[in-house]
Amino acid sequence: EVQLVESGGGLVKPGGSLRLSCAASGFTFSSYSMNWVRQAPGKGLEWVSSISSSSSYIYYADSVKGRFTISRDNAKNSLYLQMNSLRAEDTAVYYCARDSDYGDSGGLGYWGQGTLVTVSS
Amino acid sequence: AIQMTQSPSSLSASVGDRVTITCRASQGIRNDLGWYQQKPGKAPKLLIYAASSLQSGVPSRFSGSGSGTDFTLTISSLQPEDFATYYCLQDYNYPKTFGPGTKVDIK
Repeated sequence: EVQLVESGGGLVKPGGSLRLSCAASGFTFSSYSMNWVRQAPGKGLEWVSSISSSSSYIYYADSVKGRFTISRDNAKNSLYLQMNSLRAEDTAVYYCARDSDYGDSGGLGYWGQGTLVTVSS
Repeated sequence: AIQMTQSPSSLSASVGDRVTITCRASQGIRNDLGWYQQKPGKAPKLLIYAASSLQSGVPSRFSGSGSGTDFTLTISSLQPEDFATYYCLQDYNYPKTFGPGTKVDIK
């Protein structure tokens, strides 16, 4: 069974940093692209970042480019999101999501339960 | 970035109703579109990928259609567990972009 478990969320002051982790199990982690998607309270979904299976290709939303860094450790079956220079508008539940089995345009087939990041003084 | 719009933003329907939600892309995206269902406090769930392919385990009352810029999600006979918010997501290129969502609630 595919499992994705996020951790690392919490309360942080504006300008601060936080590192999210996503522990993956139940599949060959090194074979799949991975993604971060967030959802501000009461708002819709926003794609944040994607990383290819070997970390060769990395993409970011304009809203986080230059502040967030996605990475992965295939030996540890883990995905990360380093978030720096945090702003109030980064407050959201952050989901880790795995590409489906249907290729790059096959959607996000598996999701974690999410971890809440709150940026407030 | 490709902009995604959805209509309606919300709808009220009864159990057994046929429900149709549309999603429009600001430029052609072939059939690189998925539909997601999200219930309050839960992670989204993939229903449809590649515009019209049913994700494994998803009931057959859900169907998708469209190509290019205009797409449709149809629920043929709404069930109590289908009351949720539905999002489209284009994965034709980066940045990936979601539609704003359509909330389906009980009439």
